[in-house]
Amino acid sequence: ETGVTQSPTHLIKTRGQQVTLRCSSQSGHNTVSWYQQALGQGPQFIFQYYREEENGRGNFPPRFSGLQFPNYSSELNVNALELDDSALYLCASSFRQTRTFNSNQPQHFGDGTRLSIL
Amino acid sequence: GDSVTQMEGPVTLSEEAFLTINCTYTATGYPSLFWYVQYPGEGLQLLLKATKADDKGSNKGFEATYRKETTSFHLEKGSVQVSDSAVYFCALSRTIKETSGSRLTFGEGTQLTVNP
Repeated sequence: ETGVTQSPTHLIKTRGQQVTLRCSSQSGHNTVSWYQQALGQGPQFIFQYYREEENGRGNFPPRFSGLQFPNYSSELNVNALELDDSALYLCASSFRQTRTFNSNQPQHFGDGTRLSIL
Repeated sequence: GDSVTQMEGPVTLSEEAFLTINCTYTATGYPSLFWYVQYPGEGLQLLLKATKADDKGSNKGFEATYRKETTSFHLEKGSVQVSDSAVYFCALSRTIKETSGSRLTFGEGTQLTVNP
């Protein structure tokens, strides 16, 4: 069973730049969620994708956007980077039965991308 | 909105000591509850889960019981090892009504250090 993989592992950017982070979901999973974890804090929900559509969003501005592809992999894009965007970005995948039924299966996490903004 | 509160850390114990990490939650409806563990430089690993009231989740000697009357999900282990040193996160998951999606809400985490 292939787990969740994220790339790159580390990234350094400057303020105002744009960044794309990538995630491959665990085999058999069809839902991907993204979380931001600031140093010393718990992860915060950014958004979730199911069947290539955004399926829920946390309290993050529109400059945080995403995509999900037919193979269930996903990208997180952040525009106009700010210093406060420095964090560990975690991707998690899970399985959802249908569009209208969700039994809240556990989410399985990758090791994250450490993003530093200078 | 949903929230999870964990006991303040860090927690330092000697090997073979008893561990309790307190977790309480606030949520509407009937959330599922989870404990995740994070080792240095890694992502989160699912430790255990419970999906309804009075369920007990268990794994690797860790246990937690879903107590709806006290809105709690305390993590316990009878005898900790040095290898248990990590950050532990309590979390709840609830279905998003409008989309049938789901989201995890995490506590702040509790750093556990076990000394030999």
